[in-house]
Amino acid sequence: GAGVSQSPSNKVTEKGKDVELRCDPISGHTALYWYRQSLGQGLEFLIYFQGNSAPDKSGLPSDRFSAERTGGSVSTLTIQRTQQEDSAVYLCASSLWRGGGETQYFGPGTRLLVL
Amino acid sequence: EDKVVQSPLSLVVHEGDTVTLNCSYEVTNFRSLLWYKQEKKAPTFLFMLTSSGIEKKSGRLSSILDKKELFSILNITATQTGDSAIYLCAVEEFDTDKLIFGTGTRLQVFP
Repeated sequence: GAGVSQSPSNKVTEKGKDVELRCDPISGHTALYWYRQSLGQGLEFLIYFQGNSAPDKSGLPSDRFSAERTGGSVSTLTIQRTQQEDSAVYLCASSLWRGGGETQYFGPGTRLLVL
Repeated sequence: EDKVVQSPLSLVVHEGDTVTLNCSYEVTNFRSLLWYKQEKKAPTFLFMLTSSGIEKKSGRLSSILDKKELFSILNITATQTGDSAIYLCAVEEFDTDKLIFGTGTRLQVFP
């Protein structure tokens, strides 16, 4: 596809369950970013990958959150033992290389609702 | 703590009006300031500003940065209903390339 894709587009889960969110970046993009947008809040940086490594994990809100990227392409964001405050839209972005915010292309997001 | 603050939080106007959206920031390692338009979920890029006083323009939209006073404005002239969206301001950090977003300004343009 031409753009960043994310799946699922919507996810409803029960408190305490684990969820996996997937991001397919634009082909050839080496940098990948995860953001979270809670209701009424701005976009919050979570983590970024350069290739398969994640040099900056400082934005992950707790140890229940983890992310990985394989083959320099697809990334998954995993939330364990979900809590209601995890409800948000999770956005993924990719860029050709690290740096230069204008080159970050955003996916459509996954809307997560934790009941 | 680094932060980006946008105002107003919400704006309701009629078609044809001109609007000015504000973004102020306190970010230690400033590299650039970016404006995005968010209509559904994915923000789309509008402008990137790195130098003070140089206006960026795209059609009816324009933006300028003041690095001394630490703010930027986004102007939209002759607004249309299609301009209705959330406008996000973000500051990119120099060493981490991290984007720090404001909470956005929700603009509603009525016919």
